[in-house]
Amino acid sequence: AQSVAQPEDQVNVAEGNPLTVKCTYSVSGNPYLFWYVQYPNRGLQFLLKYITGDNLVKGSYGFEAEFNKSQTSFHLKKPSALVSDSALYFCAVRDGLDRGSTLGRLYFGRGTQLTVWP
Amino acid sequence: NAGVTQTPKFQVLKTGQSMTLQCAQDMNHNSMYWYRQDPGMGLRLIYYSASEGTTDKGEVPNGYNVSRLNKREFSLRLESAAPSQTSVYFCASSFDRTSYEQYFGPGTRLTVT
Repeated sequence: AQSVAQPEDQVNVAEGNPLTVKCTYSVSGNPYLFWYVQYPNRGLQFLLKYITGDNLVKGSYGFEAEFNKSQTSFHLKKPSALVSDSALYFCAVRDGLDRGSTLGRLYFGRGTQLTVWP
Repeated sequence: NAGVTQTPKFQVLKTGQSMTLQCAQDMNHNSMYWYRQDPGMGLRLIYYSASEGTTDKGEVPNGYNVSRLNKREFSLRLESAAPSQTSVYFCASSFDRTSYEQYFGPGTRLTVT
């Protein structure tokens, strides 16, 4: 079964410092990995995805994620955090193209609350 | 272009009452999804509709029913609400089930007393 784990419930970082939000995955077949962000009282917004190709994926708002197959990780990073980055971040994995009727289902991690203080 | 809209935004029900959560998208997407979000558990898929006229169960379908009314609309019904169904419900859509990105509505916060 597909699953992702986000080992940290909370990450706190000072504005201007680099940030990392961790995610590890477990999949059968090739991984299709995603990061979503949720601001307070809002729905989730897509940040970036890894399907194939370069291990470093760039996304919205200056975020990037590093795919590491040997460590089965897909950590979210940003070189310089902003207070406005404070939000709930979700890692997700999707069923591959060979999974029949479950195609397109996303499996989410529990979420990591990022707080960036001034 | 409103994206994915959900009604109502908030709802309080008594145990045993029924209600329908409405979802509509104006992006001409084929696939639609219902999730529930509970603290510390992330999002869990309740039901999804890969295309108009089809629906399938997700991880946590018990106590819910869905209707894909047309291509735009996908409703979620609670026939007899239970306190365990207190949650935030999100509707999402994607162009089709091979699409990589899902677009989410703003959510419905439901409390069952």
